Amino acid sequence: DTGVSQNPRHKITKRGQNVTFRCDPISEHNRLYWYRQTLGQGPEFLTYFQNEAQLEKSRLLSDRFSAERPKGSFSTLEIQRTEQGDSAMYLCASSLTVVRLNTGELFFGEGSRLTVL
Amino acid sequence: GQQVMQIPQYQHVQEGEDFTTYCNSSTTLSNIQWYKQRPGGHPVFLIQLVKSGEVKKQKRLTFQFGEAKKNSSLHITATQTTDVGTYFCAGPQGGKLIFGQGTELSVKP
Repeated sequence: DTGVSQNPRHKITKRGQNVTFRCDPISEHNRLYWYRQTLGQGPEFLTYFQNEAQLEKSRLLSDRFSAERPKGSFSTLEIQRTEQGDSAMYLCASSLTVVRLNTGELFFGEGSRLTVL
Repeated sequence: GQQVMQIPQYQHVQEGEDFTTYCNSSTTLSNIQWYKQRPGGHPVFLIQLVKSGEVKKQKRLTFQFGEAKKNSSLHITATQTTDVGTYFCAGPQGGKLIFGQGTELSVKP
């Protein structure tokens, strides 16, 4: 399977616990994005990387959220001290940047669904 | 910041009827992308429009990009049950995409 892979697919945790999600993008893609989606809403941008560099992080993102892409391949998204409002689907997407375009087609993974009790 | 708005939020149609969703941006876009998300699935890329006034067709789907590059539409002719899902438009802002809230299409057989 050469698509975007995310795990775990589902995570149930208690409020206050830390959780980590992993994303393996399509291997030749240089950009990796994290989005959050709640029911009835479109994907909400969280952060993105070009290779190993984190180029932008949403201003709405709490400092409890941190993401890494240490070797420019897979990425992790960690949420510390989870709150019930963090319950959502966390989507990872990757793309191959074309020089003259801002953003190429995004290939999404199946997502990691977080439930905070 | 840039906002992307879609209407309607929901559309229920009888199979065979047409469907249209509209997308409006608060700023001029360099391009616009459309995605489809099936129930329980993840967004899947449909198409990208780049030129002012561009019209592209994919079988029963027709995509338009406005002359001012601030609005777009997706029209489905003679809907089928396989068209069920949520359709999102997305515009670039820097290196990321900003998504609209989507239009959920349900099709009654």
